[in-house]
Amino acid sequence: GQQLNQSPQSMFIQEGEDVSMNCTSSSIFNTWLWYKQEPGEGPVLLIALYKAGELTSNGRLTAQFGITRKDSFLNISASIPSDVGIYFCAGLTGNQFYFGTGTSLTVIP
Amino acid sequence: NAGVTQTPKFQVLKTGQSMTLQCAQDMNHEYMSWYRQDPGMGLRLIHYSVGAGITDQGEVPNGYNVSRSTTEDFPLRLLSAAPSQTSVYFCASTRGRSYEQYFGPGTRLTVT
Repeated sequence: GQQLNQSPQSMFIQEGEDVSMNCTSSSIFNTWLWYKQEPGEGPVLLIALYKAGELTSNGRLTAQFGITRKDSFLNISASIPSDVGIYFCAGLTGNQFYFGTGTSLTVIP
Repeated sequence: NAGVTQTPKFQVLKTGQSMTLQCAQDMNHEYMSWYRQDPGMGLRLIHYSVGAGITDQGEVPNGYNVSRSTTEDFPLRLLSAAPSQTSVYFCASTRGRSYEQYFGPGTRLTVT
């Protein structure tokens, strides 16, 4: 199947810092999505991207659809303790979604 | 509006037993899917459906069956449970052309 590589695997940051993470693939995707998952819950959609080069914001979150269509990036500005969780990217090709392995974010107050 | 509901929340099975995980959505979405999530891994697609009466295999379909007789319901059947099927299972419902995917709370399955 398709492989989506997310990096970094984990991050430990101070409250107030900005966060950057990315997702890369050897395959082209038509849609990129970013999710956050908290312990014991299902993933929650944060941002959806539909066109190469697209830059979309949702509050303090900004995501970009890479121009090669093989990658995507998520930035979180001015992190707060409730940003803690695992962030997943997902790519859609055909009718199937493929997920990355996640970036675990810890915010130290 | 309940969104996506899954039952049960927890289940323990013995090897060889069968069971059905239930999933329902009240958003009138055509596309529904089942994933499994294993420790340290992302979600992997088991089966999906683009509408009532239509199902297709995902990345890891072996050992699982699905059917879609109504728009609302998309049950996942384990035919003969194996320890390798110990996992957390998530059902998702996807809104039309936006591809916004909404997940249920998950079913935590242990096979002994």
